[in-house]
Amino acid sequence: GAGVSQSPRYKVAKRGQDVALRCDPISGHVSLFWYQQALGQGPEFLTYFQNEAQLDKSGLPSDRFFAERPEGSVSTLKIQRTQQEDSAVYLCASSSQGGSAEAFFGQGTRLTVV
Amino acid sequence: AQRVTQPEKLLSVFKGAPVELKCNYSYSGSPELFWYVQYSRQRLQLLLRHISRESIKGFTADLNKGETSFHLKKPFAQEEDSAMYYCALSTYNDYKLSFGAGTTVTVRA
Repeated sequence: GAGVSQSPRYKVAKRGQDVALRCDPISGHVSLFWYQQALGQGPEFLTYFQNEAQLDKSGLPSDRFFAERPEGSVSTLKIQRTQQEDSAVYLCASSSQGGSAEAFFGQGTRLTVV
Repeated sequence: AQRVTQPEKLLSVFKGAPVELKCNYSYSGSPELFWYVQYSRQRLQLLLRHISRESIKGFTADLNKGETSFHLKKPFAQEEDSAMYYCALSTYNDYKLSFGAGTTVTVRA
């Protein structure tokens, strides 16, 4: 694909519902990141994968959040028992390597919990 | 822990006027600094990074370690520069980006 693809673009969930957000990174990109962006704020780091290994999950706000990248390509961010404070835009980014390599962002998934 | 501060939420300038977006950071080591931009209805994209020392779309940014700043400047703003701008920082051993809250720039004709 031409860039990082995220689906769905919009998701409305009832409080307590589980949701799964998908990220398709640029082919061949080793690094994959998830960020959470609340309204009026900058993106906040959630978790980082290098290939299939989750090297950093320090930004996940609670144990209701879980991310995986089983084959080192597509990644899924799962949120269990959604709460209103989970409402945000969830951004996925990929890069060919870490450090100063450019991170390419997807268009994000806007999650609204009602 | 590293922190990025963008003191201006909104910035409005006239076309042809200079524009400067402020960014200050706190980090005890040697950071890598970036400016990301998000145009209306588009995805977040890299504008420039300090290690490249290049000018992109007329924008430049200089890393000032003494003042812990990485301000973004353009001498003559254009209407197409209207966008949301984010300053971000990463460190040598930590690949994640720490973002500021962003500055919305509006360039008026």
